[in-house]
Amino acid sequence: AQKVTQAQTEISVVEKEDVTLDCVYETRDTTYYLFWYKQPPSGELVFLIRRNSFDEQNEISGRYSWNFQKSTSSFNFTITASQVVDSAVYFCALSEASRDRGSTLGRLYFGRGTQLTVWP
Amino acid sequence: GAVVSQHPSWVICKSGTSVKIECRSLDFQATTMFWYRQFPKQSLMLMATSNEGSKATYEQGVEKDKFLINHASLTLSTLTVTSAHPEDSSFYICSARDGVRQGAMNTEAFFGQGTRLTVV
Repeated sequence: AQKVTQAQTEISVVEKEDVTLDCVYETRDTTYYLFWYKQPPSGELVFLIRRNSFDEQNEISGRYSWNFQKSTSSFNFTITASQVVDSAVYFCALSEASRDRGSTLGRLYFGRGTQLTVWP
Repeated sequence: GAVVSQHPSWVICKSGTSVKIECRSLDFQATTMFWYRQFPKQSLMLMATSNEGSKATYEQGVEKDKFLINHASLTLSTLTVTSAHPEDSSFYICSARDGVRQGAMNTEAFFGQGTRLTVV
């Protein structure tokens, strides 16, 4: 079964602190994608990253970095030197990408989300 | 590329009326579209998967007669909430996948901006 667990429901930090959002996933597929999305109060999903299951390289993009550990089925997200504008709900998601998935390719399984609040 | 437009972004309707939400792929052929629902402070849950030219597949617990999905063309899917009630108030968001394009891109779905429905 596919499952994404974000154990942290809410996190509060003060500006300039580093913060890590945890994500643990379960899947039987060997080919899959992992995503992080940011959802500000307006509601739209802002795409942050997509990582495929064959690429375990960590990635850094500005103040954002992602740590993919296949051995522990985790895909954690770190924001360095957090800012007030980072306040939002962050979702981790899984998409199974095996070709035999057919018409369900592209379906995302979301975690429950982590509400991040950054105080000035 | 890969732009999905969802309309309207918000709607308020009276209880008992029907509301139609449109999801359009602007620069690709959306062979598959997904409709998700998000209640306040909850995660996004898949409601149904629609493939162009065929009937939508609904997730368990989602009433197909209440949430009518039409995917009549490769660029447009509509979700109609029939006889809406206050408990249908939610954030509805679609995603679309290009199943025609070759390569890795055709395994990923792209999100619209979402529609916030309030039933009074």
